[in-house]
Amino acid sequence: DTVLTQSPALAVSPGERVSISCRASEGVNSYMHWYQQKPGQQPKLLIYKASNLASGVPARFSGSGSGTDFTLTIDPVEADDTATYFCQQSWNDPNTFGAGTKLELK
Amino acid sequence: EVQLVESGGGLVQPGRSMKLSCAASGFTFSNYGMAWVRQAPTKGLEWVATISYDGSSTYYRDSVKGRFTISRDNAKSTLYLQMNSLRSEDTATYYCTREAPYGSYSYWGQGVMVTVSS
Repeated sequence: DTVLTQSPALAVSPGERVSISCRASEGVNSYMHWYQQKPGQQPKLLIYKASNLASGVPARFSGSGSGTDFTLTIDPVEADDTATYFCQQSWNDPNTFGAGTKLELK
Repeated sequence: EVQLVESGGGLVQPGRSMKLSCAASGFTFSNYGMAWVRQAPTKGLEWVATISYDGSSTYYRDSVKGRFTISRDNAKSTLYLQMNSLRSEDTATYYCTREAPYGSYSYWGQGVMVTVSS
C-alpha cells in the first residue's frame, strides 16, 4: 500500500502562514486530497486533486504538488483552523490516508 | 442539503455480526458511488469498502474481504455494511461517505461507533 507521511504536529500564531506537508512512498500523479477534522466531528474535504478548492472552502486554503510531495497551505491562519489535517491518495489501490497533522494555535 | 446519517453501531462480541446503515438525503443517491471509511480510536482514517452508483461493482480492503459486504438500496437511498466475523481490530467509528471525482470523498456522515469486545 502507498504510505503517506505527515509531520505529527505544528503550532502557529493566528495571522501567520502555515504549510502542511504530505510525502507519498510512491508516485500518486496529482491524485492527492486534503481533509480537515475538528475534535468530535467528521472529516471535511478541503482540497481535491492536489490544488482544487472544494465547494464552500475559504480561499485561505490552497494545495500544491505532484508525484510524491504535496503541501496544504493556510494563509492566513485563523483560530477556527485548529484541527487535524489528513492527506489521502486515490491513484494507487487501495486508496490510503496519512496519519494526520495536528495544527495548534499559539 | 446533503445529509448522510449512519445507524446500527454499538458493542458486539468478537466473531459476531453487525449491520450498519446510512440514510442519504439531499441528492440523487442513485447517481453516486458510495464508500465506508473507518477511524480507530485516536487513529487515522482507513478506507473499508466502495460500491458503484448502481451496485454492480464492489471493492474491499484486504483485511475485510470475505467478512464485510457493502450494498445499497437505491429505492430507499440507503447504504449498508454487513460485518461478519468481527475482530477487535475492527473497533472504530465508521463513516458513510459520498464519492467525488478523482477518488476523494466530498460528504461524510457523523459516523457510528462499533466496538468489538467480549
